[in-house]
Amino acid sequence: DAKTTQPPSMDCAEGRAANLPCNHSTISGNEYVYWYRQIHSQGPQYIIHGLKNNETNEMASLIITEDRKSSTLILPHATLRDTAVYYCIVRAFSNSGYALNFGKGTSLLVTP
Amino acid sequence: KAGVTQTPRYLIKTRGQQVTLSCSPISGHRSVSWYQQTPGQGLQFLFEYFSETQRNKGNFPGRFSGRQFSNSRSEMNVSTLELGDSALYLCASSLASGSSTDTQYFGPGTRLTVL
Repeated sequence: DAKTTQPPSMDCAEGRAANLPCNHSTISGNEYVYWYRQIHSQGPQYIIHGLKNNETNEMASLIITEDRKSSTLILPHATLRDTAVYYCIVRAFSNSGYALNFGKGTSLLVTP
Repeated sequence: KAGVTQTPRYLIKTRGQQVTLSCSPISGHRSVSWYQQTPGQGLQFLFEYFSETQRNKGNFPGRFSGRQFSNSRSEMNVSTLELGDSALYLCASSLASGSSTDTQYFGPGTRLTVL
Protein backbone atom coordinates (compact mmCIF):
# COMPACT_ATOMS: atom_id res chain seq x y z
CA ASP A 1 0.00 0.00 0.00
CA ALA A 2 1.17 3.55 -0.76
CA LYS A 3 2.71 5.65 1.98
CA THR A 4 1.00 8.80 3.24
CA THR A 5 2.37 12.02 4.68
CA GLN A 6 0.37 14.19 7.08
CA PRO A 7 1.30 17.21 9.20
CA PRO A 8 1.82 16.11 12.81
CA SER A 9 -0.54 18.68 14.26
CA MET A 10 -3.07 21.37 13.38
CA ASP A 11 -5.28 23.84 15.20
CA CYS A 12 -8.74 24.97 14.26
CA ALA A 13 -11.16 27.41 15.86
CA GLU A 14 -14.53 26.02 16.85
CA GLY A 15 -17.15 26.64 14.17
CA ARG A 16 -14.58 27.02 11.41
CA ALA A 17 -13.82 24.49 8.73
CA ALA A 18 -10.94 22.14 9.47
CA ASN A 19 -8.96 21.18 6.39
CA LEU A 20 -6.64 18.25 6.94
CA PRO A 21 -4.18 17.53 4.11
CA CYS A 22 -2.65 14.24 3.11
CA ASN A 23 0.00 13.51 0.52
CA HIS A 24 0.06 10.13 -1.19
CA SER A 25 2.22 10.75 -4.24
CA THR A 26 2.90 7.04 -4.89
CA ILE A 27 -0.75 6.03 -4.92
CA SER A 28 -1.70 3.37 -7.44
CA GLY A 29 -4.73 3.39 -9.65
CA ASN A 30 -6.61 0.81 -7.61
CA GLU A 31 -5.89 2.32 -4.21
CA TYR A 32 -8.52 4.09 -2.17
CA VAL A 33 -7.98 6.93 0.30
CA TYR A 34 -9.48 6.23 3.73
CA TRP A 35 -9.81 8.56 6.69
CA TYR A 36 -10.21 7.49 10.28
CA ARG A 37 -9.99 9.44 13.49
CA GLN A 38 -9.20 8.42 17.03
CA ILE A 39 -10.34 10.31 20.06
CA HIS A 40 -8.03 9.78 22.99
CA SER A 41 -7.84 6.11 24.02
CA GLN A 42 -10.92 5.12 22.04
CA GLY A 43 -11.07 2.87 19.00
CA PRO A 44 -10.53 4.53 15.61
CA GLN A 45 -13.69 5.79 13.96
CA TYR A 46 -14.24 5.47 10.22
CA ILE A 47 -14.96 8.82 8.58
CA ILE A 48 -14.95 8.51 4.81
CA HIS A 49 -13.16 6.99 1.85
CA GLY A 50 -12.91 7.59 -1.89
CA LEU A 51 -11.15 6.56 -5.06
CA LYS A 52 -10.99 9.61 -7.32
CA ASN A 53 -14.25 11.52 -7.03
CA ASN A 54 -14.95 13.88 -4.17
CA GLU A 55 -17.06 12.30 -1.48
CA THR A 56 -19.31 13.75 1.20
CA ASN A 57 -21.17 12.21 4.09
CA GLU A 58 -22.72 13.42 7.31
CA MET A 59 -19.33 13.71 8.98
CA ALA A 60 -17.01 15.20 6.40
CA SER A 61 -16.03 15.83 2.81
CA LEU A 62 -13.10 14.27 1.01
CA ILE A 63 -11.47 16.17 -1.81
CA ILE A 64 -9.02 14.21 -3.96
CA THR A 65 -6.85 16.05 -6.49
CA GLU A 66 -7.17 15.13 -10.13
CA ASP A 67 -3.77 13.40 -10.17
CA ARG A 68 -4.77 11.62 -6.91
CA LYS A 69 -1.43 12.45 -5.32
CA SER A 70 -3.02 14.33 -2.45
CA SER A 71 -6.32 14.74 -0.68
CA THR A 72 -7.98 16.93 1.93
CA LEU A 73 -10.44 15.95 4.60
CA ILE A 74 -12.83 18.79 5.40
CA LEU A 75 -14.80 19.04 8.63
CA PRO A 76 -17.13 21.89 7.67
CA HIS A 77 -17.94 23.23 11.13
CA ALA A 78 -15.45 21.90 13.65
CA THR A 79 -16.59 21.37 17.23
CA LEU A 80 -14.59 20.65 20.36
CA ARG A 81 -15.61 16.99 20.00
CA ASP A 82 -13.68 16.84 16.72
CA THR A 83 -10.40 17.10 18.65
CA ALA A 84 -8.70 13.82 17.74
CA VAL A 85 -5.89 12.21 15.77
CA TYR A 86 -6.85 11.91 12.11
CA TYR A 87 -5.34 9.16 10.00
CA CYS A 88 -5.13 9.14 6.22
CA ILE A 89 -4.67 5.62 4.86
CA VAL A 90 -4.21 4.46 1.31
CA ARG A 91 -5.30 0.94 0.59
CA ALA A 92 -6.05 -1.13 -2.44
CA PHE A 93 -9.46 -2.67 -2.54
CA SER A 94 -8.90 -6.38 -2.32
CA ASN A 95 -10.77 -9.56 -1.66
CA SER A 96 -7.71 -10.94 0.07
CA GLY A 97 -8.27 -9.21 3.34
CA TYR A 98 -7.65 -6.16 5.47
CA ALA A 99 -4.49 -4.80 7.02
CA LEU A 100 -4.84 -1.06 7.49
CA ASN A 101 -1.48 0.68 7.73
CA PHE A 102 -1.94 3.53 10.19
CA GLY A 103 0.81 6.13 10.15
CA LYS A 104 1.26 8.79 12.81
CA GLY A 105 -1.70 10.87 11.69
CA THR A 106 -2.50 14.53 12.35
CA SER A 107 -3.42 15.62 15.84
CA LEU A 108 -6.22 18.16 15.41
CA LEU A 109 -6.95 20.52 18.28
CA VAL A 110 -10.20 22.44 18.06
CA THR A 111 -10.15 25.49 20.31
CA PRO A 112 -13.05 27.54 21.66
CA LYS B 1 -27.22 -2.30 15.20
CA ALA B 2 -24.73 -2.88 18.00
CA GLY B 3 -21.12 -2.01 17.35
CA VAL B 4 -17.99 -4.06 17.87
CA THR B 5 -17.65 -5.12 21.48
CA GLN B 6 -14.49 -6.14 23.27
CA THR B 7 -14.04 -7.78 26.63
CA PRO B 8 -12.58 -7.13 29.06
CA ARG B 9 -12.01 -3.41 28.72
CA TYR B 10 -9.13 -3.35 31.17
CA LEU B 11 -6.75 -6.06 32.26
CA ILE B 12 -3.70 -6.24 34.48
CA LYS B 13 -1.32 -9.19 34.22
CA THR B 14 2.21 -10.00 35.32
CA ARG B 15 5.17 -11.00 33.19
CA GLY B 16 5.11 -14.61 32.08
CA GLN B 17 1.36 -14.98 32.30
CA GLN B 18 -0.90 -15.43 29.32
CA VAL B 19 -4.03 -13.52 28.40
CA THR B 20 -7.08 -14.01 26.18
CA LEU B 21 -9.02 -11.10 24.76
CA SER B 22 -12.43 -11.40 23.16
CA CYS B 23 -14.10 -9.57 20.31
CA SER B 24 -17.68 -9.74 19.06
CA PRO B 25 -18.05 -8.20 15.60
CA ILE B 26 -20.98 -6.24 14.25
CA SER B 27 -23.81 -8.60 13.39
CA GLY B 28 -23.34 -9.95 9.88
CA HIS B 29 -19.66 -9.04 9.69
CA ARG B 30 -17.46 -11.95 8.72
CA SER B 31 -13.96 -10.51 9.02
CA VAL B 32 -12.26 -9.65 12.29
CA SER B 33 -8.89 -7.95 12.56
CA TRP B 34 -6.72 -7.24 15.57
CA TYR B 35 -4.40 -4.29 16.11
CA GLN B 36 -1.97 -3.30 18.83
CA GLN B 37 -1.49 0.35 19.78
CA THR B 38 1.44 1.57 21.85
CA PRO B 39 2.81 5.10 22.31
CA GLY B 40 6.08 4.13 20.67
CA GLN B 41 4.92 2.06 17.70
CA GLY B 42 1.48 3.48 17.08
CA LEU B 43 -1.29 1.34 15.62
CA GLN B 44 0.03 -1.92 14.19
CA PHE B 45 -1.83 -4.70 12.47
CA LEU B 46 -1.64 -8.09 14.18
CA PHE B 47 -3.81 -10.45 12.12
CA GLU B 48 -7.13 -10.88 10.38
CA TYR B 49 -9.57 -13.77 10.46
CA PHE B 50 -12.21 -14.63 7.91
CA SER B 51 -14.37 -17.74 7.90
CA GLU B 52 -12.46 -19.11 10.89
CA THR B 53 -9.15 -18.88 9.00
CA GLN B 54 -6.29 -16.47 9.44
CA ARG B 55 -6.16 -14.51 6.21
CA ASN B 56 -3.47 -11.94 6.93
CA LYS B 57 -0.76 -11.62 9.51
CA GLY B 58 1.38 -8.74 10.67
CA ASN B 59 4.94 -8.82 11.92
CA PHE B 60 4.49 -10.07 15.46
CA PRO B 61 6.08 -13.02 17.27
CA GLY B 62 4.35 -16.35 17.62
CA ARG B 63 3.35 -15.51 21.20
CA PHE B 64 0.49 -13.62 19.62
CA SER B 65 -2.21 -15.88 18.24
CA GLY B 66 -5.88 -15.78 17.54
CA ARG B 67 -8.86 -17.70 16.36
CA GLN B 68 -12.32 -17.13 15.03
CA PHE B 69 -15.45 -19.09 15.79
CA SER B 70 -18.27 -20.06 13.49
CA ASN B 71 -20.35 -17.12 14.71
CA SER B 72 -17.48 -14.78 13.67
CA ARG B 73 -16.56 -13.96 17.26
CA SER B 74 -12.81 -13.87 17.73
CA GLU B 75 -10.30 -14.31 20.50
CA MET B 76 -6.73 -13.19 20.70
CA ASN B 77 -4.18 -14.83 22.94
CA VAL B 78 -0.81 -13.59 24.11
CA SER B 79 1.42 -16.08 25.90
CA THR B 80 4.44 -15.45 28.09
CA LEU B 81 3.61 -11.80 28.56
CA GLU B 82 6.39 -9.22 28.43
CA LEU B 83 6.37 -5.68 29.74
CA GLY B 84 6.36 -4.42 26.15
CA ASP B 85 3.03 -6.11 25.52
CA SER B 86 1.33 -3.41 27.54
CA ALA B 87 -0.89 -1.74 24.98
CA LEU B 88 -4.37 -0.99 23.77
CA TYR B 89 -5.59 -3.97 21.75
CA LEU B 90 -8.18 -3.10 19.16
CA CYS B 91 -10.52 -5.32 17.26
CA ALA B 92 -12.15 -4.30 13.99
CA SER B 93 -14.81 -6.01 11.92
CA SER B 94 -15.97 -5.71 8.35
CA LEU B 95 -18.57 -7.29 6.13
CA ALA B 96 -15.94 -8.75 3.80
CA SER B 97 -18.60 -8.48 1.10
CA GLY B 98 -16.13 -8.00 -1.71
CA SER B 99 -17.49 -4.50 -2.33
CA SER B 100 -15.25 -1.45 -2.54
CA THR B 101 -17.56 0.27 -0.08
CA ASP B 102 -16.70 -2.26 2.60
CA THR B 103 -14.68 -0.88 5.49
CA GLN B 104 -13.52 -1.72 8.99
CA TYR B 105 -15.26 -0.64 12.17
CA PHE B 106 -13.36 -0.65 15.41
CA GLY B 107 -14.26 -1.61 18.94
CA PRO B 108 -13.35 0.40 22.05
CA GLY B 109 -10.28 -1.71 22.74
CA THR B 110 -8.87 -3.65 25.67
CA ARG B 111 -6.25 -1.88 27.73
CA LEU B 112 -3.67 -4.46 28.84
CA THR B 113 -1.11 -3.59 31.46
CA VAL B 114 1.73 -6.02 32.13
CA LEU B 115 3.54 -5.57 35.46
